[in-house]
Amino acid sequence: SQQGEEDPQALSIQEGENATMNCSYKTSINNLQWYRQNSGRGLVHLILIRSNEREKHSGRLRVTLDTSKKSSSLLITASRAADTASYFCATDADNAGNMLTFGGGTRLMVKP
Amino acid sequence: DGGITQSPKYLFRKEGQNVTLSCEQNLNHDAMYWYRQDPGQGLRLIYYSQIVNDFQKGDIAEGYSVSREKKESFPLTVTSAQKNPTAFYLCASSIRLSRYSDTQYFGPGTRLTVL
Repeated sequence: SQQGEEDPQALSIQEGENATMNCSYKTSINNLQWYRQNSGRGLVHLILIRSNEREKHSGRLRVTLDTSKKSSSLLITASRAADTASYFCATDADNAGNMLTFGGGTRLMVKP
Repeated sequence: DGGITQSPKYLFRKEGQNVTLSCEQNLNHDAMYWYRQDPGQGLRLIYYSQIVNDFQKGDIAEGYSVSREKKESFPLTVTSAQKNPTAFYLCASSIRLSRYSDTQYFGPGTRLTVL
């Protein structure tokens, strides 16, 4: 079974709006990562947040982590058409070393 | 130009054939991974390798085999024992395999279709 589950599965917004994606997981983790995938391409790493961090920023991206609720959110501010992609969270369970478990992804469409 | 490459981009297989997918990296990473992605789904781990001449099964290793004879290369063979091989295959690498996860760097993927 997947460790991380994204919500919503699909999201459609207008350019300039903010996009929020959520990830829930089941067991204790060391790190949580977010990746982006353009259609038919490989994944690109966006941001890594450690279990002792609560919030992290990178450009227009803001990631939060709530270990008590076993959840994370990815916020993309002032979205652009080029942000259209699938976004995946990946977790490393505390007893699984470096192995990442990926969620099913959120498919984001940003309309110009 | 550093990175991770996969070839071919598209691959067609007939029933009963073995096919090998190539993955090469020049990032000097110790750890390499193979994932399978089905349409609209996340990634599932097939095999991973921490070091040359060592590899371990992931969650869905049945019907697949790998080798790690060189640090730069981690080819995946999809055997005839894999009953439903049509999927998108992604190779990745990371600096090391340690207790805590590192960023993984992904290749562009190979789309395998069974005819």
